[in-house]
Amino acid sequence: GQQVMQIPQYQHVQEGEDFTTYCNSSTTLSNIQWYKQRPGGHPVFLIQLVKSGEVKKQKRLTFQFGEAKKNSSLHITATQTTDVGTYFCAGTAGQFYFGTGTSLTVIP
Amino acid sequence: DTEVTQTPKHLVMGMTNKKSLKCEQHMGHRAMYWYKQKAKKPPELMFVYSYEKLSINESVPSRFSPECPNSSLLNLHLHALQPEDSALYLCASSQRGLSYNEQFFGPGTRLTVL
Repeated sequence: GQQVMQIPQYQHVQEGEDFTTYCNSSTTLSNIQWYKQRPGGHPVFLIQLVKSGEVKKQKRLTFQFGEAKKNSSLHITATQTTDVGTYFCAGTAGQFYFGTGTSLTVIP
Repeated sequence: DTEVTQTPKHLVMGMTNKKSLKCEQHMGHRAMYWYKQKAKKPPELMFVYSYEKLSINESVPSRFSPECPNSSLLNLHLHALQPEDSALYLCASSQRGLSYNEQFFGPGTRLTVL
């Protein structure tokens, strides 16, 4: 079964609101990567986290890797319509898995 | 050149046809991947080639046959597919293996099996 789960599955936000997606693994991950896939597009790499407790920021995006290296989160501040898409975490826990994804809709 | 190209963009085939998907990258990457993605689902890893050798085959049916002619090219040969094989097939590459390496994805081939 799927080893890496993300919640929520779908999220609709008003433009300007914040958004967070959570990624949870049943086993310890060696690292976590985040990808964004626009509707009709292909996954595009956003960032990689390797260390326990690591936090990285990219403009309005903040990424965290949990202390136990079993979970991660992506937080977007003040969403814009350009943030629309599905956000996937991905990591290695024996095998390489993409998470189930969170589809973000931003309402102008 | 930071692009992965895939041909064709769309493919419709019957269950008795034989077709091939092609993928190319010129970034000097030594690992290349095939993924299958169904609508509203995450990409599922099918095959990994590392230094032109097949290193991972995620229990993919034999009707899918990968080939890596050289370090820049990756093919996926299709034969006797089933309608449930209809999906977006994504190729990706990275500098080296799966872990700790950013993957660059191509635009995909949308496959329909009739």
